[in-house]
Amino acid sequence: AQSVTQLDSQVPVFEEAPVELRCNYSSSVSVYLFWYVQYPNQGLQLLLKYLSGSTLVKGINGFEAEFNKSQTSFHLRKPSVHISDTAEYFCAVSDPTNFNKFYFGSGTKLNVKP
Amino acid sequence: IAGITQAPTSQILAAGRRMTLRCTQDMRHNAMYWYRQDLGLGLRLIHYSNTAGTTGKGEVPDGYSVSRANTDDFPLTLASAVPSQTSVYFCASRDLTDTQYFGPGTRLTVL
Repeated sequence: AQSVTQLDSQVPVFEEAPVELRCNYSSSVSVYLFWYVQYPNQGLQLLLKYLSGSTLVKGINGFEAEFNKSQTSFHLRKPSVHISDTAEYFCAVSDPTNFNKFYFGSGTKLNVKP
Repeated sequence: IAGITQAPTSQILAAGRRMTLRCTQDMRHNAMYWYRQDLGLGLRLIHYSNTAGTTGKGEVPDGYSVSRANTDDFPLTLASAVPSQTSVYFCASRDLTDTQYFGPGTRLTVL
């Protein structure tokens, strides 16, 4: 089975600083990759996704992620964070041949400090 | 447009009781999913449905059942609740671009 690793359970950062949230997955076969954000007491909202094409994917709220097939990584970045970015971020992987196989990482809590 | 609604928002349940979590979508998506979210474990798929009338088992299906009588509704039933089923439950649907949309969740506590 596929596995998704988010090495950092918590990332503290000051406002306007850059941030990178790391995500690695286990499969070497073709996969679809996603980042979701969860604000307190809410459901998950899609930030961005990689299905094919350019390895640099831009999403909402100024976030972007880069797909690296050789390193099986899909790290999320933002050049300058805001207080409102404080939330939990989940990386997810799906099997393009069976979208019912959808795996989430354990999440990274981003805490933006003033 | 409401997207996905879930009910109840939260529930405290005695062990051994039967409970149905409701999920309704208004986006006419064929595929729907139920996940549970536990601290440190992310989201795990319980059951899914690719279209009305069909269902399938996910990663952690034991103790849960689902039905899909129509496109809009996808209820999740705990036949006899146990404390290990204490969790936050999310319903989701998927569109044709493979994007999943999530409901606000149901927080369930089994005592």
